[in-house]
Amino acid sequence: DTGVSQNPRHKITKRGQNVTFRCDPISEHNRLYWYRQTLGQGPEFLTYFQNEAQLEKSRLLSDRFSAERPKGSFSTLEIQRTEQGDSAMYLCASSHLDREGGYTFGSGTRLTVV
Amino acid sequence: RKEVEQDPGPFNVPEGATVAFNCTYSNSASQSFFWYRQDCRKEPKLLMSVYSSGNEDGRFTAQLNRASQYISLLIRDSKLSDSATYLCVPWGAGSYQLTFGKGTKLSVIP
Repeated sequence: DTGVSQNPRHKITKRGQNVTFRCDPISEHNRLYWYRQTLGQGPEFLTYFQNEAQLEKSRLLSDRFSAERPKGSFSTLEIQRTEQGDSAMYLCASSHLDREGGYTFGSGTRLTVV
Repeated sequence: RKEVEQDPGPFNVPEGATVAFNCTYSNSASQSFFWYRQDCRKEPKLLMSVYSSGNEDGRFTAQLNRASQYISLLIRDSKLSDSATYLCVPWGAGSYQLTFGKGTKLSVIP
């Protein structure tokens, strides 16, 4: 068990480009979450999967954002037509169904839109 | 009222001091509470879970007052390695998502 893995660690992109991030959760964890964090703020919830089903989406998740977890294992978060306001740390976390609230976070992907 | 409110600090305390952080939450349906610590530019890591009135783990004590919708974290005998941001997180009010506060920054000074 190597924990929650996120790739890439850093991404710099030009405004208007699309970016995709990947998250590999802890293998036995069936819940997966995406959060976004900007400087001086706590992490903000984006979306949540239980196995392959996307069960919750935040109002923060505009139409330019899409997340998938096709086989209930790894997940991807895509941002289309990036804007400077998308610059943030994107955190993935996973948890086990029977251990309520005990998330394990990945190291995050830091996105900079220039 | 914000869902989670924390004093942002920073709290600058000398080594060996006792320091307490407060957190208020707005949703009375919250079932469980968590304290996470986050080092600068790192991911949050679970520090303590609180399911009833409180929890103690070594130098760390969390206390919950459901009537006042208030939770606290006490750190005794502060170490330099305790320097971090501490995030208060209520959970379980009809959703599986965690709602994080902005956190309280602690700096332990030699």
